[in-house]
Amino acid sequence: RKEVEQDPGPFNVPEGATVAFNCTYSNSASQSFFWYRQDCRKEPKLLMSVYSSGNEDGRFTAQLNRASQYISLLIRDSKLSDSATYLCVVNGAAGNKLTFGGGTRVLVKP
Amino acid sequence: DVKVTQSSRYLVKRTGEKVFLECVQDMDHENMFWYRQDPGLGLRLIYFSYDVKMKEKGDIPEGYSVSREKKERFSLILESASTNQTSMYLCASSRAPGELFFGEGSRLTVL
Repeated sequence: RKEVEQDPGPFNVPEGATVAFNCTYSNSASQSFFWYRQDCRKEPKLLMSVYSSGNEDGRFTAQLNRASQYISLLIRDSKLSDSATYLCVVNGAAGNKLTFGGGTRVLVKP
Repeated sequence: DVKVTQSSRYLVKRTGEKVFLECVQDMDHENMFWYRQDPGLGLRLIYFSYDVKMKEKGDIPEGYSVSREKKERFSLILESASTNQTSMYLCASSRAPGELFFGEGSRLTVL
């Protein structure tokens, strides 16, 4: 089993709709969690950290479920510019280092 | 804004050649990383460094070495390039765990 797993997608989303997807991790001792966004042929960029209490940044909401060992990202009112690959990153999934998920591709269509 | 600059966006090399990939960051971060990204395999950590002249192996260090002579500069070296090292190479720096700032990447093709 991979240490950090994501549904690769693509998630085809109508513009204005809500989309949500998860990332599961295998090590219950994992310490911190992040979502990155990667546009096609660009570098990954930090989207948001994921706190135990959940956090929201505009149209984006991230949640952590330690009992079931997953984090989630929800995008409300999707924009065409939200089309990207979303990478889940877990600190401590495998020792004291970061592990990247394979990414979930989101395509927002008019 | 943090800026991480990778010296070459695109390189084409021949098998057996020595390859240097340079990375410079301007935010005085202690931590620097080299990843490679391949379709279906995601980002994999090659080497990282938490301080000048310090280096640690990541998940896939074989065939690579690194150098960190100055805090702002972290170089990746392929001593003898092979075709299976054709990839996108991404350098990153960070101050806090998990909060990485990436360069634009260096796409290396080894023929």
